[in-house]
Amino acid sequence: AQSVTQPDIHITVSEGASLELRCNYSYGATPYLFWYVQSPGQGLQLLLKYFSGDTLVQGIKGFEAEFKRSQSSFNLRKPSVHWSDAAEYFCAVGSNSGGGADGLTFGKGTHLIIQP
Amino acid sequence: NAGVTQTPKFQVLKTGQSMTLQCAQDMNHNSMYWYRQDPGMGLRLIYYSASEGTTDKGEVPNGYNVSRLNKREFSLRLESAAPSQTSVYFCASSGWRYNQPQHFGDGTRLSIL
Repeated sequence: AQSVTQPDIHITVSEGASLELRCNYSYGATPYLFWYVQSPGQGLQLLLKYFSGDTLVQGIKGFEAEFKRSQSSFNLRKPSVHWSDAAEYFCAVGSNSGGGADGLTFGKGTHLIIQP
Repeated sequence: NAGVTQTPKFQVLKTGQSMTLQCAQDMNHNSMYWYRQDPGMGLRLIYYSASEGTTDKGEVPNGYNVSRLNKREFSLRLESAAPSQTSVYFCASSGWRYNQPQHFGDGTRLSIL
């Protein structure tokens, strides 16, 4: 069974500083990986996704993520954070069962705090 | 521009009561999902419907039933609510293929007393 680990429950970053959120996955085949962001009281919004091809993927709001198969990682990065980036971030892996979408397996999330 | 709509947004139930959470999407998606979110647990898949007419269990299906009413609507039913089902419930939808991202509703906050 697939699994996702987000090692950091909380991360505090100063506004304007760079950010890296870690994600490690376990999946037997080629993974389909996603990062979602959740603001308080809201649903989840897709930041970016990886299926194949270029291992560095660009997303919305200035985020990017790099897929490293050798490390089973899919870390999220942003060069300079803004106060509006404070939120909960979830990494997720999708399975491919007969080509259909079976649902995502999520990590437990990383809560990002931005210091002024 | 509604996307995925969940009703109600908030609900308080007593132990043993029943309730149906409603979800509708207007993106012509084939696949729909129900997740629950608990503090420190991330989101966990309860049930999903890969296409109209099919439903399958996810990671935590016990105590729940689902109905895929038509292509647009996917409901989640709690027959006899228990305090352990206090959670935030999210509905999502996607295209049928595995590489289609899921789009989420804003959630239903359910408390069982």
